[in-house]
Amino acid sequence: LAKTTQPISMDSYEGQEVNITCSHNNIATNDYITWYQQFPSQGPRFIIQGYKTKVTNEVASLFIPADRKSSTLSLPRVSLSDTAVYYCLVGAALSGGYNKLIFGAGTRLAVHP
Amino acid sequence: EAGVTQFPSHSVIEKGQTVTLRCDPISGHDNLYWYRRVMGKEIKFLLHFVKESKQDESGMPNNRFLAERTGGTYSTLKVQPAELEDSGVYFCASSQETFPYEQYFGPGTRLTVT
Repeated sequence: LAKTTQPISMDSYEGQEVNITCSHNNIATNDYITWYQQFPSQGPRFIIQGYKTKVTNEVASLFIPADRKSSTLSLPRVSLSDTAVYYCLVGAALSGGYNKLIFGAGTRLAVHP
Repeated sequence: EAGVTQFPSHSVIEKGQTVTLRCDPISGHDNLYWYRRVMGKEIKFLLHFVKESKQDESGMPNNRFLAERTGGTYSTLKVQPAELEDSGVYFCASSQETFPYEQYFGPGTRLTVT
């Protein structure tokens, strides 16, 4: 499974756009890129998933360049409630349609007033 | 729709004792996973069920850990006997087969072995 590298921590202010970049130089052809969010004392929560180009949902956008060796999670106009740890995961759905998630250290985002 | 629930939320036991953690997945989710985070480390995969069958046990640390999913509904994870290094947060997650990347996690059970 492809190893990911992302910043340990980031700081931002309310109302700003936050971009968290993840490097995955060894990504394989079948790998998808998935981001999870985790608040203290809670389990991780799925945010977004993509394979290439751009994916957008009601929570975030995911930008993936053509070489797919990196990806950027974009959170528009963050609020204090977006303070959390964000995980970038790369992997392929294994046979049988399931996915064993491999978590790294994640990026600890702190949003300030 | 109810999410993934886990019981208990916190358990404190002495070394050598037995503890059983329970997970109730989202109704209709055939896939059920167990993960854990031990102190200072990353979240690690333990095992995966498809209905009542163990699909992947590659993350189970040793034979002191036993997971079951009778009837393909809720699952239990038993640690017997517990050791100090088993302390951490144990997460359960479930997913539908058609959306393997979107796993729904429970709040976790914090296990403290003293």
